[in-house]
Formats: sequence, C-alpha cells, structure tokens
Amino acid sequence: DAKTTQPTSMDCAEGRAANLPCNHSTISGNEYVYWYRQIHSQGPQYIIHGLKNNETNEMASLIITEDRKSSTLILPHATLRDTAVYYCIVRVRDSSYKLIFGSGTRLLVRP
Amino acid sequence: GAVVSQHPSWVICKSGTSVKIECRSLDFQATTMFWYRQFPKQSLMLMATSNEGSKATYEQGVEKDKFLINHASLTLSTLTVTSAHPEDSSFYICSAMTGVGYGYTFGSGTRLTVV
Repeated sequence: DAKTTQPTSMDCAEGRAANLPCNHSTISGNEYVYWYRQIHSQGPQYIIHGLKNNETNEMASLIITEDRKSSTLILPHATLRDTAVYYCIVRVRDSSYKLIFGSGTRLLVRP
Repeated sequence: GAVVSQHPSWVICKSGTSVKIECRSLDFQATTMFWYRQFPKQSLMLMATSNEGSKATYEQGVEKDKFLINHASLTLSTLTVTSAHPEDSSFYICSAMTGVGYGYTFGSGTRLTVV
C-alpha cells in the first residue's frame, strides 16, 4: 500500500495561497489520493480527492503530477479558520476501501 | 451532503465499566463504516472496518473482545469499549463511505475518559 510523506508543519499568511505538498512515490495506477483536514478535537473534514487529473472544488485545488508520485493541495486564499492538520492519504488498493492516515501537515495561518 | 452523527460527544466512565458509542449515517445508507482512535497529538489510527450484517474486520493489534463492533443496520454502527481502563481514554472517531465518488464522511468524535 502506498504511503505518503508530508512536511510536519507549514505556515502561511492570511489571504495568501497555501500550498501543501505530499509525496506518494509508490502509488499504484488505481489508487486515489484523498485530502482531509482536522481542526483540534473534531472529526476530519473532507477537502478533495483525485486519481489522475487535477481537481478543483469550492474549498481547494488538487494538483497531481503526471507520474502521480506527488501532489499539492492548494488553498487559494487561506484564512485563520484554515489552521488545521492536513492529511494526504492514498486509499488502500484492496476491496476494504480503508483510509490509513499518516502524520499530516500542521498548517498555521498567520494574521 | 452526507452527514454522520456520532454520540455521545464525550463520556466519562469508571474503570471496569463498558461504554457504547453510536455512529449513524443520517441521510444515506452506509454499508461500510470505520472506527478510528486518536491519542493526543497523534494521527488517527484505524481500529476496525464495520460491514453491515457481518462481523467487523479488526486491524492488527486491536483486541476484538475489548472493542465490540456491531453494524446491524445500514445506518447504525456501534462501538462498545468493554471493561474500560484508563489507557482506553482516547478520542474515538467513526466514518462512513458515502458511496458517492467513493467519499468518506467522518463523525465529530467521542472523547472517552476512563477514571
């Protein structure tokens, strides 16, 4: 199963774009990349997911490299409420559909 | 959107007693639900996969006799922590596959404190 590597922590200024990288060099062709975030003492919140193509929704954009070995989550205009731990997850390939969380990136948005 | 309701949000129990945590999918049917545990400043750790109408599948190292999971309907899964001890104190979170684009929705979590 593909594992992910993320920076332990990052920070950005409020109003600026936050770019969160994720390395998943062992990903297989049919494995999806999911991004979730968790604000302290709450359940994880879905952000976006993708397979091969770049994806965009009202929260964020997901850029996946052509070789699929890495991806970047982009929060276009970060606010203080975006301060959270962001998890990049490659879904387990088997029929269990499990999501295995790594250690994530702690994003701090500065005023 | 898909909503998962988890109850209670927090519970304090005495050592040796059992505690039941409920996870309900409010506006969709969830054939598969997942239970996680999270210790302070750590990531979520998957405990088990709960499938409606069948036995749960536990991750390696998780005691199935201690953490009883029941998924008797398409909208309800329960986790019972039996004979709880202080080391079971943790944040327990459930999630469900929404079936739409293979998304997953998480509950708000249950803070268990065993005294």
